[in-house]
Amino acid sequence: KQEVTQIPAALSVPEGENLVLNCSFTDSAIYNLQWFRQDPGKGLTSLLLIQSSQREQTSGRLNASLDKSSGRSTLYIAASQPGDSATYLCAVRRTGANNLFFGTGTRLTVIP
Amino acid sequence: GAGVSQSPRYKVAKRGQDVALRCDPISGHVSLFWYQQALGQGPEFLTYFQNEAQLDKSGLPSDRFFAERPEGSVSTLKIQRTQQEDSAVYLCASSLGGTGTHQPQHFGDGTRLSIL
Repeated sequence: KQEVTQIPAALSVPEGENLVLNCSFTDSAIYNLQWFRQDPGKGLTSLLLIQSSQREQTSGRLNASLDKSSGRSTLYIAASQPGDSATYLCAVRRTGANNLFFGTGTRLTVIP
Repeated sequence: GAGVSQSPRYKVAKRGQDVALRCDPISGHVSLFWYQQALGQGPEFLTYFQNEAQLDKSGLPSDRFFAERPEGSVSTLKIQRTQQEDSAVYLCASSLGGTGTHQPQHFGDGTRLSIL
């Protein structure tokens, strides 16, 4: 079974800092990997999707990388803002499957 | 609507009652997923539909859980004889493509179910 781990569980940074969130997965036979943010009491908002053949994806201040062989992905957030405060979830879709396996998330707080 | 819509947003039921949760996916989306999210955890997969066909129900925790999508659009997740351990947020997601496509999943805000 695919296991997805996110470290750290919680992170606080001052506004303006660059930061990296980590995600690791045990089964490298993945189809794609998706990063989400979740605000309290809300559903998940899709941020970036990286296909298994890709190494990274960028959207605005966000950059996600994928290293399949080592079972790792990172989400880099540049120039953090208080509005970035949320829980960030990493999810992996295995080859041959349709559903996502999620990590438990990293709760980010950006302090003004 | 522009996004995935779920109703009700909150549901309180007594142990033993049956509940029905509704999901309206984004129009035209082929794939529909149900996930269960416990407090402080990531979502866990329950079941998957491609159009009206339920292709994967491996995540349903017991035969008390039943899902349908009869016309390939709206879906209903039904839980019979609810138990306290069923208390969770139930999330619905949809994606444009079916099997073999790299389409992101788009989530609704969920239904928070509390069993007393």
